[in-house]
Amino acid sequence: NAGVMQNPRHLVRRRGQEARLRCSPMKGHSHVYWYRQLPEEGLKFMVYLQKENIIDESGMPKERFSAEFPKEGPSILRIQQVVRGDSAAYFCASPPPGGIANTGELFFGEGSRLTVL
Amino acid sequence: GDSVTQMEGPVTLSEEAFLTINCTYTATGYPSLFWYVQYPGEGLQLLLKATKADDKGSNKGFEATYRKETTSFHLEKGSVQVSDSAVYFCALSDLGGSEKLVFGKGMKLTVNP
Repeated sequence: NAGVMQNPRHLVRRRGQEARLRCSPMKGHSHVYWYRQLPEEGLKFMVYLQKENIIDESGMPKERFSAEFPKEGPSILRIQQVVRGDSAAYFCASPPPGGIANTGELFFGEGSRLTVL
Repeated sequence: GDSVTQMEGPVTLSEEAFLTINCTYTATGYPSLFWYVQYPGEGLQLLLKATKADDKGSNKGFEATYRKETTSFHLEKGSVQVSDSAVYFCALSDLGGSEKLVFGKGMKLTVNP
């Protein structure tokens, strides 16, 4: 959905570097989800955030990964000391106001494709 | 936890062929069920949904019926087009704890003219 903006669209990093992925949800939306799409594995939930608060991080790897959604600015997914296994497409999604309970619809960005050399 | 199992591809069909993509789920409670579609280079888009047993979701010629007795939500289309080439994901809403969608692995469909 054009309303959810992610950047960069493509990112190449060498092993051991840091990757920062950004997501701006649809205007007026204050929550974001991050999902990871690994080859042959489909979409896996990582983290659910609202501004200045992590609601659910049960899908985040215990090390090297962190996410934030500050009061001002985009949500950021940060991967430290990247390894080849981090190569994937990372999608941000924005629920409608009121959450997904009623409609179930998430509005996805076009994704950030990380390649680790 | 809740999970979704869907038919894996890739699948290649000729235009106007009949399409079925199987999806079954495991969940506590009564989740809502969804099909999302991902066109090449894009994010996912909601294709259709059903919120309770026996509901039928439909959109763009695609249909799926929420079958509680078989815990299934199979996607069907009577006559596919080249423009239907995409990856299709079955999903359910996990409303336990925080709200989130749980996705299947996705199935890549290619339709040839």
